[in-house]
Amino acid sequence: DTEVTQTPKHLVMGMTNKKSLKCEQHMGHRAMYWYKQKAKKPPELMFVYSYEKLSINESVPSRFSPECPNSSLLNLHLHALQPEDSALYLCASSLQAASGLYNDQFFGPGTRLTVL
Amino acid sequence: DQQVKQNSPSLSVQEGRISILNCDYTNSMFDYFLWYKKYPAEGPTFLISISSIKDKNEDGRFTVFLNKSAKHLSLHIVPSQPGDSAVYFCAAPDSGTYKYIFGTGTRLKVLA
Repeated sequence: DTEVTQTPKHLVMGMTNKKSLKCEQHMGHRAMYWYKQKAKKPPELMFVYSYEKLSINESVPSRFSPECPNSSLLNLHLHALQPEDSALYLCASSLQAASGLYNDQFFGPGTRLTVL
Repeated sequence: DQQVKQNSPSLSVQEGRISILNCDYTNSMFDYFLWYKKYPAEGPTFLISISSIKDKNEDGRFTVFLNKSAKHLSLHIVPSQPGDSAVYFCAAPDSGTYKYIFGTGTRLKVLA
């Protein structure tokens, strides 16, 4: 099973709403990632979790709040977003948070977020 | 810092022919690279990787070549099929971290 799942597939929210994106993998991976991708741009790293601890925060605004409840789950809590936050949000996982052999990152299908 | 460049934003190839997608990087401290294929509104799909202990890695119709001295890698798809039409990203590790830097992507169109 090399699958990373994400829910919901699509999300429309107002600027005052609070919502959460969810990601799950059952590959035994201990590193999980959140990326943001705008149209015609490469994925941009937001957060990295390694062994359920936050390892990297790429200076992401506090209106995005990640959470890793256990080794299989990763959430991204959203609050008071702006229209420019509309994008495809991608979750990925790898065996460990390291580059090199056996640490290929596998991506989920993404959540298409629209902020009105 | 690592920079990853894919200088061809788009490429059109006839079905059955070879597609060659190129990628250049700047920092060779960590020579391990990934290629992804991405369809619109979907997450990237991992295709193939290569490390510095090799200069070639093959998986079915996909072969990646690494030229360490030129800091260049290329993805060959042969024979190309219409279902290969997608955006292809290469990714390289950022220096000293386990963060991957993605290139800007090449949109491949395989014509039937």
